[in-house]
Amino acid sequence: EAGVVQSPRYKIIEKKQPVAFWCNPISGHNTLYWYLQNLGQGPELLIRYENEEAVDDSQLPKDRFSAERLKGVDSTLKIQPAELGDSAVYLCASSFGTNGETQYFGPGTRLLVL
Amino acid sequence: AQSVAQPEDQVNVAEGNPLTVKCTYSVSGNPYLFWYVQYPNRGLQFLLKYITGDNLVKGSYGFEAEFNKSQTSFHLKKPSALVSDSALYFCAVRDSASGTYKYIFGTGTRLKVLA
Repeated sequence: EAGVVQSPRYKIIEKKQPVAFWCNPISGHNTLYWYLQNLGQGPELLIRYENEEAVDDSQLPKDRFSAERLKGVDSTLKIQPAELGDSAVYLCASSFGTNGETQYFGPGTRLLVL
Repeated sequence: AQSVAQPEDQVNVAEGNPLTVKCTYSVSGNPYLFWYVQYPNRGLQFLLKYITGDNLVKGSYGFEAEFNKSQTSFHLKKPSALVSDSALYFCAVRDSASGTYKYIFGTGTRLKVLA
């Protein structure tokens, strides 16, 4: 069974440029999560989808971050414009349900904003 | 509000010795507790979880964890450490009483197993 796929794995951009990350969850997983992981820290939730609905986006900085999961499968996270402080690893995870189910993580996208 | 603490930034242990990585939590309802491991440049890999039932949970790669409700702890253990166990370990908690289904991760503990 294929795991969670993320692309790109690495991205270097200049500040004020836009950037997008893509995630394809494990087949059949209806719940998708985007996390931000700063160096030396644990993941912090940005947004959670159940199917195509964003059910928890309270931690998403909506002035510059946006996300979509149009058909309830793969998802895109966008930053526009990027700031220096956005340099981090962006992790995508998926699960079958949300009530105690295990989350499975992708390898992450490491973003460096110069 | 729910929270999780990993009091040790790093744990060093000799190969073959038992290891313990500590985790304590705070929730208002019953906790769902998880341990994940992260190797360099990789995502988090699931090790084990406690939802309900037996307080001793067995997981992948010989790891186990003991749920202690009175001490609000969920320490990760392994009887005999391997050099290949060296990695970053994260504890996570979700409050079953919370309607947000939000998982909170600890700051991580770096395990170093010395040959």
